[in-house]
Amino acid sequence: DQQVKQNSPSLSVQEGRISILNCDYTNSMFDYFLWYKKYPAEGPTFLISISSIKDKNEDGRFTVFLNKSAKHLSLHIVPSQPGDSAVYFCAASDDYKLSFGAGTTVTVRA
Amino acid sequence: GAVVSQHPSWVICKSGTSVKIECRSLDFQATTMFWYRQFPKQSLMLMATSNEGSKATYEQGVEKDKFLINHASLTLSTLTVTSAHPEDSSFYICSARDIREGGYTFGSGTRLTVV
Repeated sequence: DQQVKQNSPSLSVQEGRISILNCDYTNSMFDYFLWYKKYPAEGPTFLISISSIKDKNEDGRFTVFLNKSAKHLSLHIVPSQPGDSAVYFCAASDDYKLSFGAGTTVTVRA
Repeated sequence: GAVVSQHPSWVICKSGTSVKIECRSLDFQATTMFWYRQFPKQSLMLMATSNEGSKATYEQGVEKDKFLINHASLTLSTLTVTSAHPEDSSFYICSARDIREGGYTFGSGTRLTVV
């Protein structure tokens, strides 16, 4: 049972424009959400997180929005850069275990 | 920041042999480490939670006798794939939670190919 869903397997965006990645979850017990970036054959690297008590967290070009009532979060990357091309995973935590979405492959076009 | 070292980064083994993967937290102590598996174009799936000094907690559907986990110290957890078969070929990743800083730090992963 997939508790964290990323329904868009891929996203193509032009350099300089905004990338918006979406994530939905079903478990209302999740209280902490994270976004990871992953290159092929490497482990995920942490990007940004948000606690369930907040609805927005910003760190440089990355902003995560959380809508608890809709059980939805999104990651905004602006402006998108070629180095942002990677697979992005949404993850959610209840207690200490992480559940991951299937990932969204982002391709930034020059 | 917290660093987790995972070794080896890739390994090829013959069917029926065993392979050990190590996961070390380099600059922090991790009482709990996690082992994930990723199939191509799929999500990271939690296999088991490794607890220092006690038995690992396996997720449903993961064979504990096939995927042996040992967490002998606060900085080292090992995953041994026993009697490996081609269907065990995958990308295995460990992570650890740094209690001081919070968050989860991942190892660089191990690409296992069983031939």
